[in-house]
Amino acid sequence: DIQMTQSPSSLSASVGDRVTITCRASQGISNYLAWYQQKPGKVPKLLIYAASTLQSGVPSRFSGSGSGTDFNLTISSLQPEDVAGYYCQKYDRALTFGGGTKVEIK
Amino acid sequence: EVKLVQSGAEVKKPGESLRISCKGSGYTFTSYWIGWVRQMPGKGLEWMGIIYPGDSNIRYSPSFQGQVAISADKSISTAYLQWSSLKASDTAMYYCARPRRGHDFDAFDIWGPGTMVTVSS
Repeated sequence: DIQMTQSPSSLSASVGDRVTITCRASQGISNYLAWYQQKPGKVPKLLIYAASTLQSGVPSRFSGSGSGTDFNLTISSLQPEDVAGYYCQKYDRALTFGGGTKVEIK
Repeated sequence: EVKLVQSGAEVKKPGESLRISCKGSGYTFTSYWIGWVRQMPGKGLEWMGIIYPGDSNIRYSPSFQGQVAISADKSISTAYLQWSSLKASDTAMYYCARPRRGHDFDAFDIWGPGTMVTVSS
């Protein structure tokens, strides 16, 4: 089975900072990679699919990149409303999630 | 409006059986996979399995194979997640979710509100 490893598991940054979360697949998955945001007590929300395509309605400060085994989610200017858990998910043949990254404001 | 509506919270004892449901509306239920995702308290998202209601094709995560059963009744546009003998470690929020595109595996853009299952003696 292909494993998805996210890093860091948590981070604390200031408002306005650029934040990058990494997701690594144990084998190549082309661009079958999604990113989700889950705010405390809420349902997960799709941010990005196909590694770099922004879901409709998602602010443009979110972006995704990568292909094969290494992927990034970047928040260009962290806002207070971005405090959440972030998860990557592959969806080529199985739909495995990464372990998650908790983002807080410093 | 495309929606997934899940059954309500459950409190059960260890060893009891349980079936929770997820009803789709606003789209052709038989043309999209429906997945199940577990989230234990304070933990991350775990994919459990997925079903294609059109032909009842089911794929399980190896971590959940044999632990749960996924099914669907296309006549009432409802998918199910079932346990035959619950354990305390099954205490979690369970989400159903639908992929963006029909027929294929894809990112989940539609999520149900979740069903909280508590297993305690």
